[in-house]
Amino acid sequence: DSGVTQTPKHLITATGQRVTLRCSPRSGDLSVYWYQQSLDQGLQFLIQYYNGEERAKGNILERFSAQQFPDLHSELNLSSLELGDSALYFCASSRRTVEYTFGSGTRLTVV
Amino acid sequence: DQQVKQNSPSLSVQEGRISILNCDYTNSMFDYFLWYKKYPAEGPTFLISISSIKDKNEDGRFTVFLNKSAKHLSLHIVPSQPGDSAVYFCAASGSGNEKLTFGTGTRLTIIP
Repeated sequence: DSGVTQTPKHLITATGQRVTLRCSPRSGDLSVYWYQQSLDQGLQFLIQYYNGEERAKGNILERFSAQQFPDLHSELNLSSLELGDSALYFCASSRRTVEYTFGSGTRLTVV
Repeated sequence: DQQVKQNSPSLSVQEGRISILNCDYTNSMFDYFLWYKKYPAEGPTFLISISSIKDKNEDGRFTVFLNKSAKHLSLHIVPSQPGDSAVYFCAASGSGNEKLTFGTGTRLTIIP
């Protein structure tokens, strides 16, 4: 157990729907990062939050949004889902370093 | 634009031999490099890192080499063990940025 908890582990939903992925960071970590891994692709950076504030943004689609709550857990909201959004979504946390601790991911399948 | 490249999608190595995984980068602002290991159904786990002020970092069976002029780094695993079979991701960061840029990964298979 890495200490980073992601729920749900698997999600199957239809095109056009909206889903929310949840991440609880490791105790004491203030930074949360979201990454997307599509088939045969590397980990693509989506967004970073630090202590509740957005810190950095990657190639995150406008249909996607995220937030970090006062208890430091984070949610990634994906809306108007398309088949191409099917991927593994990873959350990671860190304490002001780049040595991230990753969760085990959420596998999203859009049908 | 793939700033971190792992050109070998897969690699097979006999148990006990040396495994060498390669990574190239294009962004000269990167100054910190990491390797992560990923087993199926798990998230990546941090393995070893190197700062641009060094050219080598060793941790047990794992050694990372950095060649800044060639913008190339490599991970050496010796001796290779069956438990080393996994996908290895190279990652980089720079300019005080906490964001990591990852390569596409290399699947290492250790043959018993």
